[in-house]
Amino acid sequence: DIVMTQSPDSLAVSLGERATINCKSSQSVLYSSNNKNYLAWYQQKPGQPPKLLIYWASTRESGVPDRFSGSGSGTDFTLTISSLQAEDVAVYYCQQYYTTLFTFGPGTKVDVK
Amino acid sequence: QVQLQQSGPGLVKPSQTLSLTCTVAGGSINTGGSYWSWVRQHPGKGLEWIGYIYYSGSTSYNPSLKSRLTISVDTSKNQFSLRLSSVTAADTAVYYCARVLYYYDSSAYLFDFWGQGTLVTVSS
Repeated sequence: DIVMTQSPDSLAVSLGERATINCKSSQSVLYSSNNKNYLAWYQQKPGQPPKLLIYWASTRESGVPDRFSGSGSGTDFTLTISSLQAEDVAVYYCQQYYTTLFTFGPGTKVDVK
Repeated sequence: QVQLQQSGPGLVKPSQTLSLTCTVAGGSINTGGSYWSWVRQHPGKGLEWIGYIYYSGSTSYNPSLKSRLTISVDTSKNQFSLRLSSVTAADTAVYYCARVLYYYDSSAYLFDFWGQGTLVTVSS
């Protein structure tokens, strides 16, 4: 299994400030034949299902605000919220789809300071 | 827009079988490139993929649950279902159904639509 880890477990950021979440996979999720990273990010607000934010490590899903961005390659990835809004309070998960034994990170909780 | 509507009991006794159904609205379960999946979330914890099914009946299961798991599809009702046998307290979780969109050109799978979730408690 590919094990996904995330850091920090939680963070509190002032409104309008940057939030950065890290994700690491136990093996590379970069597929050499197409140079794509099989890594997605999801946002889960309390009482709601997860929502797909980013795939291919850096491609925003339709309708996702551009303050959300993803970066990284291989085994190390980052989700950045450039200017935190109140509605961004949520838990964020990374997920690999490099193998069909899909695995998620443990989540990072983002709150307003 | 695809909507997934979950149904099933929220309380199951230990050693019995957990059964949930997900009805697909706003689209056909027969859509090529769409896989239909179950994911669970233990209280206060992260997400665990359970398995998926294609409309043809082809399945893929998480090995950690495979021996107790059956996912089935009923195309006439636009539904797919989860059955997990011999449940224990460790199976207490919120269970989500989700559509997994498959990209043929890159063999990628994305969880793009989710049901609202069903809290299933295993208790006598």
